[in-house]
Amino acid sequence: DAGVTQSPTHLIKTRGQQVTLRCSPKSGHDTVSWYQQALGQGPQFIFQYYEEEERQRGNFPDRFSGHQFPNYSSELNVNALLLGDSALYLCASSFDDYNEQFFGPGTRLTVL
Amino acid sequence: DAKTTQPPSMDCAEGRAANLPCNHSTISGNEYVYWYRQIHSQGPQYIIHGLKNNETNEMASLIITEDRKSSTLILPHATLRDTAVYYCIVRVPNYGGSQGNLIFGKGTKLSVKP
Repeated sequence: DAGVTQSPTHLIKTRGQQVTLRCSPKSGHDTVSWYQQALGQGPQFIFQYYEEEERQRGNFPDRFSGHQFPNYSSELNVNALLLGDSALYLCASSFDDYNEQFFGPGTRLTVL
Repeated sequence: DAKTTQPPSMDCAEGRAANLPCNHSTISGNEYVYWYRQIHSQGPQYIIHGLKNNETNEMASLIITEDRKSSTLILPHATLRDTAVYYCIVRVPNYGGSQGNLIFGKGTKLSVKP
């Protein structure tokens, strides 16, 4: 049983560009959450998707958007990249929101 | 902001028990205490969670005080592979009554030494 998978593993972009990160949840999971982890900090919640809708959102600007597909996989889109968007982006999945979240290995985004 | 307070770092000798404390004095009656850990360059890993009773699984034990204002994660026989940042998290209730997102603090960096 594959766990949570994310792609790509590493990504380098320049300021102003747009990026799309992808996540496939653990088998049987229907809820996907995205987190941003800056160097030396704990992960910060971006948003959560359930039944293809954004259910909850953290304190992130509208430049951060997402999508969940019928197969429960998810995308995180970031527009107009800033240097401060450089971070590890983590995807976590769970069955509904009650149970523990399982995290993927993350995508390391570097903005130059 | 995180609702928990943890020491920034701790050391533990290999083979000994590691006891990681966490304060959550403002915890609400329906909030659970969760523990995750993050080994360098990996995603966080779920360890254990509890409401008010002590919990044990194959990885660790969780001791919650009777007033629920603090808890301790116990790794009974720490190994070098347990070196990681350990996060204590109180889950915030979400819209619809479900448990909410995870709010991470900076955690405790546990170093297990030979």
